[in-house]
Amino acid sequence: KAGVTQTPRYLIKTRGQQVTLSCSPISGHRSVSWYQQTPGQGLQFLFEYFSETQRNKGNFPGRFSGRQFSNSRSEMNVSTLELGDSALYLCASRFRLAVQETQYFGPGTRLLVL
Amino acid sequence: AQSVTQLGSHVSVSEGALVLLRCNYSSSVPPYLFWYVQYPNQGLQLLLKYTSAATLVKGINGFEAEFKKSETSFHLTKPSAHMSDAAEYFCAVSDPGGYNKLIFGAGTRLAVHP
Repeated sequence: KAGVTQTPRYLIKTRGQQVTLSCSPISGHRSVSWYQQTPGQGLQFLFEYFSETQRNKGNFPGRFSGRQFSNSRSEMNVSTLELGDSALYLCASRFRLAVQETQYFGPGTRLLVL
Repeated sequence: AQSVTQLGSHVSVSEGALVLLRCNYSSSVPPYLFWYVQYPNQGLQLLLKYTSAATLVKGINGFEAEFKKSETSFHLTKPSAHMSDAAEYFCAVSDPGGYNKLIFGAGTRLAVHP
C-alpha cells in the first residue's frame, strides 16, 4: 500500500497570506490527523477528521482550519499567516479512532513564513 | 491529563554501544504508548507500541521497550547502536479523552559516533 502523501513538501509564504496543505491517507484509512512540529513547541496536535467530520481539535487559533473529503483526503488551511506559523506540518492517518490504532505519518510539509 | 516526559534532549553513544532512551508518562487510565523515529527531513515512523498485551515490546530495527507500571516508564533500548540509528526519537501516549490523539514528548536526538 502506498503511504501517506502530503503536498506540497515545501512552501514559502509571507505574513498575512493564507496557505492550504493537502494530505492523502493510506487507502482505506478514514481518519486524518494534523500535527504541527516546531523546535520550540515540539509536536502539537491540530485536529483530526473522521468520515468528513472534525472529531477533535487542539489549542490553536481559529486561523487554523481543515476539512476532509468523501475520499478521506484532507486539507488544512492557515489564514493570515504569522512568522510563528513556520513549522513542519505532519499529517497522519489511521483506519479507525480506536485507542490502540497506529497512526501512520506522512513526510510533512515544511512551511516558511517570511 | 496525559503527558510524556523524555529525559535527555540529546544522547550520544558509540557505535556498538547500548542505546537507552528514557520516557516517563503520566496517565489517569491504562496507557497506550508509542515510540516513533524521525530521520532528517522525513515524517515519523513507528518503532513499536504498547497496548497491554505484553510488557516487553519488540519493534523494528532491533529496538525494544519495556512497560513498567510501577515506574510509569516506557524506556527504549537497543543492544548495539548502528550509525544508521542517528535520528530523533519521540515517545507518545494515546489520549483516550481526546479521541486517542497522540501526546508527544519533546524528543531525544540520538547521535552515534564511530
